[in-house]
Amino acid sequence: NAGVTQTPKFRILKIGQSMTLQCTQDMNHNYMYWYRQDPGMGLKLIYYSVGAGITDKGEVPNGYNVSRSTTEDFPLRLELAAPSQTSVYFCATLVSERNEQFFGPGTRLTVL
Amino acid sequence: QKEVEQNSGPLSVPEGAIASLNCTYSDRVSQSFFWYRQYSGKSPELIMSIYSNGDKEDGRFTAQLNKASQYVSLLIRDSQPSDSATYLCAVNANTGNQFYFGTGTSLTVIP
Repeated sequence: NAGVTQTPKFRILKIGQSMTLQCTQDMNHNYMYWYRQDPGMGLKLIYYSVGAGITDKGEVPNGYNVSRSTTEDFPLRLELAAPSQTSVYFCATLVSERNEQFFGPGTRLTVL
Repeated sequence: QKEVEQNSGPLSVPEGAIASLNCTYSDRVSQSFFWYRQYSGKSPELIMSIYSNGDKEDGRFTAQLNKASQYVSLLIRDSQPSDSATYLCAVNANTGNQFYFGTGTSLTVIP
C-alpha cells in the first residue's frame, strides 16, 4: 500500500462515542486524503491536506475533523459517532509528479 | 456537483474475452483520468492513468479518453479470472486537488 498505514483495521463504536482514525505515510508526500466508501458505492472525499498545517474540506466533511501537524500523519477525528458514519475509511497520498493517488489498507468502522 | 458515472454492472465476460468498462464525467475542466481496481475487502489499486485524448496501452489494459465527449473507457484484453474485481473511474481537475470517483463497475471473468 505504497507506505501508507492505517490503524485500527476494524472498530465498533456506540452512538455518541468518539475516536481517531490514524493515517501515517513514510514517503514525505505533501498531499494526503481521507475518503469513505459505503457498500456498493464509490469513494467520497471527506478532507484533504496539501501539506503540514493546511487542510480543506471535501464532499462530505460533516461530522469529521482533521489535523496535519506533521507531513507524516493525517488523523481523522469522529467526535459524536452516528450510524450514518458506518463505512470503510481510506487514507491516500499523492505522487505529485504523476498526480496519482495511492491508498492505505482501510479502516472498517461500524457504529451501533 | 461534479459527477462521474459508471454502469454498476455486474459485467460478466468469459475468460480470454475483452472486457469493456465505461465512464462519463460532467466537469469539462477535468484534466486527469484514472482507473482503479478494487478487490473485495481491499483498497483501490491504481492500474491506469490517462491525460490526453486517444489511447494508452499498458500490457493487457488500454485506456481511451475522449474529452469532447467527456468519456473515458478501459479495455481489458485476454481477461483472466484474476481480473474479477470492481473497477473505479476517477477524475481530477487540478493536480493534488479533489478527485471524484464513480461508483464502480463489478467485473466477473468466468473461467
